[in-house]
Formats: sequence, C-alpha cells, structure tokens
Amino acid sequence: LAKTTQPISMDSYEGQEVNITCSHNNIATNDYITWYQQFPSQGPRFIIQGYKTKVTNEVASLFIPADRKSSTLSLPRVSLSDTAVYYCLVVMTTDSWGKLQFGAGTQVVVTP
Amino acid sequence: EAQVTQNPRYLITVTGKKLTVTCSQNMNHEYMSWYRQDPGLGLRQIYYSMNVEVTDKGDVPEGYKVSRKEKRNFPLILESPSPNQTSLYFCASSFLGGESYNEQFFGPGTRLTVL
Repeated sequence: LAKTTQPISMDSYEGQEVNITCSHNNIATNDYITWYQQFPSQGPRFIIQGYKTKVTNEVASLFIPADRKSSTLSLPRVSLSDTAVYYCLVVMTTDSWGKLQFGAGTQVVVTP
Repeated sequence: EAQVTQNPRYLITVTGKKLTVTCSQNMNHEYMSWYRQDPGLGLRQIYYSMNVEVTDKGDVPEGYKVSRKEKRNFPLILESPSPNQTSLYFCASSFLGGESYNEQFFGPGTRLTVL
C-alpha cells in the first residue's frame, strides 16, 4: 500500500488559504488520491479526489504534480468551521483492492 | 435519506462478554468496511467486504469477526472483548468500480469501552 506522510498540525486565521501537502512517494500508476475531513466525534467525510493535475470542487482544490509523488489540498478562505482533521489517502485500484489506510491526518485549527 | 447507521452508538461492557456492533447502509453499496480510531493513530481498517459473503482482513483484524450475509448489513463481532479494544469504531460503505470507490460514506461511530 502507498504510505502517506502529512503534517501533524497546521494553524490558520479566518479568511486565509490553507494548503496541506501529502507525500506519497510509492504511489502506483493507477492509484487515486483522496482527501477526507473529520470533525470531532463524527465519521470522516469525503472532500475531493484526483488522479493528476488539478481538481476543484465547491469545497477545495487538489493539486497533483506530474510525478504524483505528492499532492496538496487547498482550502480557500477558511472559516472557524473548517477546524477539523484532514486525511490524505492513496486508493489502490489494482493491488490490495479493498484495503484503505488513513494514517494520522493533519489537525487544522482556524482561529479568529 | 442515504446513510450508514451504526448501533449502538455507545457501549460499556466487561472483558469477555461477547458483543456485536451493527452496521447498515441503504445505498446499495457493494463495499463495506470497519475502522477503529484511537488517539494519535488515525483510522485503522479492521475488516472489509467487497460484496455478500466476501470479506477480508484489514490492518488490525485480531480479536474481531465480521460477516456479510446481506448486502446492506456488515456487523462487527467481538467474541471476547478486551480493554485494548476500547476505541471509537466507524463503519463505511461505497460503490465499487471507478471513482465511486474512492468516496467512502461513514457512519456516526460507536464508542466502545471495555472494562
């Protein structure tokens, strides 16, 4: 399984852009990159997924460079309600189909 | 409403007393999975199921059993719970195939305490 590494925590102020970079050096050709958000005492919630280049939805953007060994989740103009843990996952579409590794995630704290 | 439900939401039990945590989804998902979450360790996968009667081990299967007799249900069974199984448990489900597999839908969680 592709191991991911992301910062343990990040602090931000309201209105700023938050960028969380995830390293996944041994990502395989067909693997996808996904990100989840988790609030305390709730189940994780899917945010975004991508394979290469850039993906944007109403919540976030995901930037993936050409070598795909890392990815960056960008949260534009964060608010207090964006305080959560963010998980980067590499989803394998061939080997180890079914196994998902979430890791420890990045705690993002947004303050006024 | 499309959702994953878990029961019970909270459970306090004693060592060795068999228990079952139920998980049910109403989205006709093929894939279902169980995770446990402990402070500082993130979510760790216990078991997963690709479809009815098809289950496989995740990263931390010891001490747990699962079954998938129906598509919508995926119960987690602790035959002889021990204090190190005190944790927050999440069930998740998704479609298989293509990018749909990447979007897991999670239940609200079950907080289990084993004394």
